[in-house]
Amino acid sequence: EAGVAQSPRYKIIEKRQSVAFWCNPISGHATLYWYQQILGQGPKLLIQFQNNGVVDDSQLPKDRFSAERLKGVDSTLKIQPAKLEDSAVYLCASSVGIWLPQETQYFGPGTRLLVL
Amino acid sequence: AQTVTQSQPEMSVQEAETVTLSCTYDTSESDYYLFWYKQPPSRQMILVIRQEAYKQQNATENRFSVNFQKAAKSFSLKISDSQLGDAAMYFCAYRSATSGNTPLVFGKGTRLSVIA
Repeated sequence: EAGVAQSPRYKIIEKRQSVAFWCNPISGHATLYWYQQILGQGPKLLIQFQNNGVVDDSQLPKDRFSAERLKGVDSTLKIQPAKLEDSAVYLCASSVGIWLPQETQYFGPGTRLLVL
Repeated sequence: AQTVTQSQPEMSVQEAETVTLSCTYDTSESDYYLFWYKQPPSRQMILVIRQEAYKQQNATENRFSVNFQKAAKSFSLKISDSQLGDAAMYFCAYRSATSGNTPLVFGKGTRLSVIA
């Protein structure tokens, strides 16, 4: 079974530039998550999708971050414009079910973003 | 809001020995799940073990076991017969059981080194 795929793996940009990350979850997984992991900290949830609907985006900085999950499969996370403090690893995860808090989340390898 | 604290930024263990990683959490809820995730240097995070708060029996997965003390809000991970492949960041995480759209709340992690 293929795991969660993310691209690119690394990205370096200047502040105020835009960047986009892509995630392909495990086939059949209804729920998709984007996390931000700043160096030295645990992952922090940015947004959770169930199929193509948003169920939690309370920690997404909506003035600069946006995300979509068209057709309930792939997802993109965009930052526009980027700030220095956005430097982090962006992790995508997926899980099978809906409304099951005990569900295992399967993580992708992450995209490491450096904003200069 | 729930918080998760991992008080040991780094730990080391000799190969074949046993090590215990500490985790405490703060919540006013009675029904929740606790997780330990492992993040090797390649960055793909994987689930190690899961504990349901309403179960008194401590979870075990092969060489990994937990000591869950609900009253003390403590959830430690014991790794027996440590192997070189156990070297990684270990994150303790909490999730409310009220529904499937509550976020995973992670601690800051403990970096485990295994000495040959």
